Amino acid sequence: AQKITQTQPGMFVQEKEAVTLDCTYDTSDPSYGLFWYKQPSSGEMIFLIYQGSYDQQNATEGRYSLNFQKARKSANLVISASQLGDSAMYFCAMRERNTDKLIFGTGTRLQVFP
Amino acid sequence: KAGVTQTPRYLIKTRGQQVTLSCSPISGHRSVSWYQQTPGQGLQFLFEYFSETQRNKGNFPGRFSGRQFSNSRSEMNVSTLELGDSALYLCASSLQGTNENIQYFGAGTRLSVL
Repeated sequence: AQKITQTQPGMFVQEKEAVTLDCTYDTSDPSYGLFWYKQPSSGEMIFLIYQGSYDQQNATEGRYSLNFQKARKSANLVISASQLGDSAMYFCAMRERNTDKLIFGTGTRLQVFP
Repeated sequence: KAGVTQTPRYLIKTRGQQVTLSCSPISGHRSVSWYQQTPGQGLQFLFEYFSETQRNKGNFPGRFSGRQFSNSRSEMNVSTLELGDSALYLCASSLQGTNENIQYFGAGTRLSVL
C-alpha cells in the first residue's frame, strides 16, 4: 500500500533563511506523482509544487524547490528566503496511478519568526 | 478564473441529522474529489467523481455519499450524523488529461456536530 511519511511535526525558521521539510514515500508503482500543499489557518489547501516519478530534474516553483531522491524515496520541500507568511501546515501527498486520489502525510507545522 | 467554491463555509448540526455540502469546481474541470480532515485521522479520501460517475471511494461508511451533476458541480451528503463526523471537508477539482493532474482545493466546509 502507498504511504507518505512526514517525520517533523513542527519546524521553526528565521525570516529570510531557508528551510527543508522532509517527506518519504512508499509505493511499488513505478508511475506516481508527488505534491506539496500549504494549509494556512484558514483551512484552504494551496498547491505548491509537483514532481512526477519520471521527471529527470527536480521541480522548482519560485521560492519552492523539491529535492527528489528516487532511490531513497524522498521528496523534500525546500523553501528559500522564508517569509512570515510562510507560517502554515505543509502536507506532502502522493497520487496513485489512474486516479485523482491523494494520499497525504501527517503534515509539518512551519513557524517563521522575525 | 474562479477557484473551487465550497458552500457553506461553516455548519453546525446535531447528532442524527443529515447534511449536504456543495462544491463547484474550477471552470473546465470535470473531476471532483472529496476529503475529510480531522485532528486524529488527518486527511482522508472520501470519493472521486468524473463525468457524473464515482470512480473511486475511500473507506467510509455508507452514511457518506456523493454525486456529481452534468455541470461538474458536486455534492456530498452525510446522513445520521455522529459526533465523530465533525471535521473540515475539503473538495478538490482537477483538469484531466495532463501528466500532473494537479488537484486544486476549495476553502473547505467546517462541520461541527453537537
